[in-house]
Amino acid sequence: QVQLQESGPGLVKPSETLSLTCNVSGDSISNYYWTWIRQPPGKGLEWIGYIYSSGATNYNPALKSRITISMDLSKNQFFLKLSSVTAADTAVYYCARVDFYPIAAFDFWGHGTMVTVSS
Amino acid sequence: EIVLTQFPESQSVTPKEKVTITCRASQSIGSSLHWYQQKPNQSPKLLIKYASQSISGVPSRFSGSGSGTDFTLTINSLEAEDAAAYYCHQSSSLPWTFGQGTKVEIK
Repeated sequence: QVQLQESGPGLVKPSETLSLTCNVSGDSISNYYWTWIRQPPGKGLEWIGYIYSSGATNYNPALKSRITISMDLSKNQFFLKLSSVTAADTAVYYCARVDFYPIAAFDFWGHGTMVTVSS
Repeated sequence: EIVLTQFPESQSVTPKEKVTITCRASQSIGSSLHWYQQKPNQSPKLLIKYASQSISGVPSRFSGSGSGTDFTLTINSLEAEDAAAYYCHQSSSLPWTFGQGTKVEIK
């Protein structure tokens, strides 16, 4: 059974960079695409971006200028960096696996990690 | 960007009733539409993929239908444990997007 676990600081100051790690167990991250999704308090879901083991990435244009998603195959982890954060970036951040058969759906999710942007 | 509009935004339902949630896409997305259930303080869970394909372990009372721009999630004989928010998600074209969610409450 695939398991994902997000980790990172729960509090980030405005204008700084949010950095999160997703640790994957039960499957090799080289076999799938992996993605980040966020959910502001009391609101809906927003797709952030994905990465594949080749290093290929795709980002939500609404966030593209501030996002970097990367991975470490040796540690079976992938990462999210979001720069120049504001209060609007306060959200629960989820990592998830992308199953592309027959078309991309998010079949396994982490529990999520709450990140608050505040001074 | 494809916009997904769900309705109703919320509904209060009696156990054993049938629930129907609609998701409408701003342009045709074929069958590239998935449904997720999110219970309070939990992460979303994939219920239905590719409009109507069932997911292993998901109760058979959940079903999906539709193609093109109009899609439906049906919960037959609602149970108390189905109280949750339900989201549709399209992966027909990037950026992938979600509907705003439908909250189902139990009367």
